[in-house]
Amino acid sequence: ILNVEQSPQSLHVQEGDSTNFTCSFPSSNFYALHWYRWETAKSPEALFVMTLNGDEKKKGRISATLNTKEGYSYLYIKGSQPEDSATYLCALSGGFKTIFGAGTRLFVKA
Amino acid sequence: SQTIHQWPATLVQPVGSPLSLECTVEGTSNPNLYWYRQAAGRGLQLLFYSVGIGQISSEVPQNLSASRPQDRQFILSSKKLLLSDSGFYLCAWRQTGSNQPQHFGDGTRLSIL
Repeated sequence: ILNVEQSPQSLHVQEGDSTNFTCSFPSSNFYALHWYRWETAKSPEALFVMTLNGDEKKKGRISATLNTKEGYSYLYIKGSQPEDSATYLCALSGGFKTIFGAGTRLFVKA
Repeated sequence: SQTIHQWPATLVQPVGSPLSLECTVEGTSNPNLYWYRQAAGRGLQLLFYSVGIGQISSEVPQNLSASRPQDRQFILSSKKLLLSDSGFYLCAWRQTGSNQPQHFGDGTRLSIL
């Protein structure tokens, strides 16, 4: 059974803090890893997709890294802003299926 | 551009009543289609996916079913709802390929009384 674990479950930071969270997954049979951002009252939106070991992706203040050999990905937010408050979902794709982690809920206080 | 429509946005149903949630996609052909559920305080659980008309794969045993009568239409149904069916249901589509992102509908908040 494919299991995607995210930690921490929730995170409270001050505006301006940099933060990161973790996604862990089985390292065997890896195809692609996705990060999504899910704001309250909206639907999840894709941030990054990574397929190769060592991949690094960046969008503004948000970046992500991938280690397929040890089975983890990190999402980094530099200089958190209140508008970064959301649930960040990690998902593993293989074939036709995508399996999501439970998410990390980020709260950024002004 | 592609769009996905999901309705209704909210639904309150009594236990034992039937259910039909509909999802349609525009602007693409032969998409992979998905139904997810988020139970309170939990992540997204994959319920069903479909790679073509009439082709449905079920991920978890439950009293829900799915159908894909047309290429861009995906329906989630139940004959008799249980209290445990309460949750937030999301429909999504993506192009074929593991590296393709999923695009989500706005979701349906289902409350069973």
